Amino acid sequence: DTEVTQTPKHLVMGMTNKKSLKCEQHMGHRAMYWYKQKAKKPPELMFVYSYEKLSINESVPSRFSPECPNSSLLNLHLHALQPEDSALYLCASSQEGRSSYNEQFFGPGTRLTVL
Amino acid sequence: AQSVTQLGSHVSVSEGALVLLRCNYSSSVPPYLFWYVQYPNQGLQLLLKYTTGATLVKGINGFEAEFKKSETSFHLTKPSAHMSDAAEYFCAVSEGTGFQKLVFGTGTRLLVSP
Repeated sequence: DTEVTQTPKHLVMGMTNKKSLKCEQHMGHRAMYWYKQKAKKPPELMFVYSYEKLSINESVPSRFSPECPNSSLLNLHLHALQPEDSALYLCASSQEGRSSYNEQFFGPGTRLTVL
Repeated sequence: AQSVTQLGSHVSVSEGALVLLRCNYSSSVPPYLFWYVQYPNQGLQLLLKYTTGATLVKGINGFEAEFKKSETSFHLTKPSAHMSDAAEYFCAVSEGTGFQKLVFGTGTRLLVSP
């Protein structure tokens, strides 16, 4: 199984809502990532988890809260988002976060719209 | 900090023609370089990567890239374009220290006409 799955595929939420994005992989990878991708732009790194510990936070606003319950699961909790947070949110995983030559496997993304 | 420049936000080719997508990188240490493809409304898929060793790297779907240190380039090529190659292509460099952080170029949209 070389797949990273993400749910939901689409999400529409109001600025006062609380929602969560979910990412799952069963490749035995120990590093997992969240990226944000705006239309016609490259992905931008948000968070890196390595061995279930938050290793990198790219100065992401606190209205985004990541969680890694176990080595296969990665969540992104959303609260009080702004319309400019509307984007495609991509999850990725790799064998091990400290090896820069490892490829990252990407999920299909969650298309988030904040009204 | 490492960076990637992709020349040309759009490249148009005819089906059967050569595909050339340009990528130049900036790095103070030997880089790890990647090409990813993104089809509409999908995630990114790895086409190929350069780590060490052979400078000509072959990837999936008939793509290949050559690492040229003297030119700080990692251009992507395919001898004959297919309609199915139409997508967004991202070149990325991995920072070599600490945790892996991919730095992406701005992307090149490949358009293939019949």
